[in-house]
Amino acid sequence: ETGVTQSPTHLIKTRGQQVTLRCSSQSGHNTVSWYQQALGQGPQFIFQYYREEENGRGNFPPRFSGLQFPNYSSELNVNALELDDSALYLCASSIQRGGQETQYFGPGTRLLVL
Amino acid sequence: EDQVTQSPEALRLQEGESSSLNCSYTVSGLRGLFWYRQDPGKGPEFLFTLYSAGEEKEKERLKATLTKKESFLHITAPKPEDSATYLCAVQAYNQAGTALIFGKGTTLSVSS
Repeated sequence: ETGVTQSPTHLIKTRGQQVTLRCSSQSGHNTVSWYQQALGQGPQFIFQYYREEENGRGNFPPRFSGLQFPNYSSELNVNALELDDSALYLCASSIQRGGQETQYFGPGTRLLVL
Repeated sequence: EDQVTQSPEALRLQEGESSSLNCSYTVSGLRGLFWYRQDPGKGPEFLFTLYSAGEEKEKERLKATLTKKESFLHITAPKPEDSATYLCAVQAYNQAGTALIFGKGTTLSVSS
């Protein structure tokens, strides 16, 4: 058990809709990262938040956005859903200590866009 | 461009048949190399972090090693419960934040 939870576990949306995915990090972890994992692929970095500020972003369009809250929870929002957005969305929480950091993943949210 | 390549893509072993998984990487400045295990439909489970060439870490039947260009995950006398996809990821100093760059993984099947 990593102490990282995600909701919902599964979600079905139609193209053009908007979706919000939620993550609850381990207590005390000041960093949350979001990844997209397509079937048969490794996770791809979407963005990261450190102490409620965006700390880095991967190669994803602006319709992917996020928030991190003081209570160690965070959100991933995706607007104008496309079929290719169908994937497993993973959040990972971590704490940065002395330049070392390990990311602990939640179970993921499986999103299907029809 | 920072890159991670894992081989083989899939590996079938008999119970007790030891083998190794390979992770080769190209990064401009390695901050850390990570191994994760992922079961179908679940999130990756952390196994090891390696920070410098020559470093080794062990956990039960698994041993991870690191050189300047690649890492190996050695599996000794595997059991069916070791069946999973093993993901390798790197953290690089020039990456956004502390992003992990993943390979596609090696899917291991161990039969009894």
